[in-house]
Amino acid sequence: SQQGEEDPQALSIQEGENATMNCSYKTSINNLQWYRQNSGRGLVHLILIRSNEREKHSGRLRVTLDTSKKSSSLLITASRAADTASYFCATDANRYGNKLVFGAGTILRVKS
Amino acid sequence: SQTIHQWPATLVQPVGSPLSLECTVEGTSNPNLYWYRQAAGRGLQLLFYSVGIGQISSEVPQNLSASRPQDRQFILSSKKLLLSDSGFYLCAWSAYGGRETQYFGPGTRLLVL
Repeated sequence: SQQGEEDPQALSIQEGENATMNCSYKTSINNLQWYRQNSGRGLVHLILIRSNEREKHSGRLRVTLDTSKKSSSLLITASRAADTASYFCATDANRYGNKLVFGAGTILRVKS
Repeated sequence: SQTIHQWPATLVQPVGSPLSLECTVEGTSNPNLYWYRQAAGRGLQLLFYSVGIGQISSEVPQNLSASRPQDRQFILSSKKLLLSDSGFYLCAWSAYGGRETQYFGPGTRLLVL
């Protein structure tokens, strides 16, 4: 099964609203990353948070990490139509060695 | 700055035909390189990764193979395509090992008929 699993699978909001996506994982990690994928394109790295960090910001993005619950959340504030995309979390779980394991993603649709 | 290229962008191939997808990275040396496959509406499945020339690790048994003939070149191949090989193939590189940020190419959409 996937190391990282996003929730919800799909999310539809109005422009200007906030969007929150969650990621749960199973084993201990060194870091957790969030990526965005526009339809039919490659993934773009958004943010990396290390296991000793609890919160990180980048522009309108806010990521939290709770290692005790093995979960992370990605908050996009004041969403825009251009934020419409799929969002994936990826973990580096120690037992997976020199690679990342991606979840199935959350499809975000921002309506204008 | 670093860039990653993949080609072709789209490919339609008959069942049983060979496959060669190419990925090249510019602007960095000795990158870790990755091939992923993404089924429609799904997450990424790691197929192969390479930490150096000629060094290939396979993640899942399958009809595909990978090679790294040069430091910044990664090739995904098949001798005979199956219908199940259809999908979106993504190449990625990382500078400091696979646990750090990975940078993705634009992808190749493969349809096997």
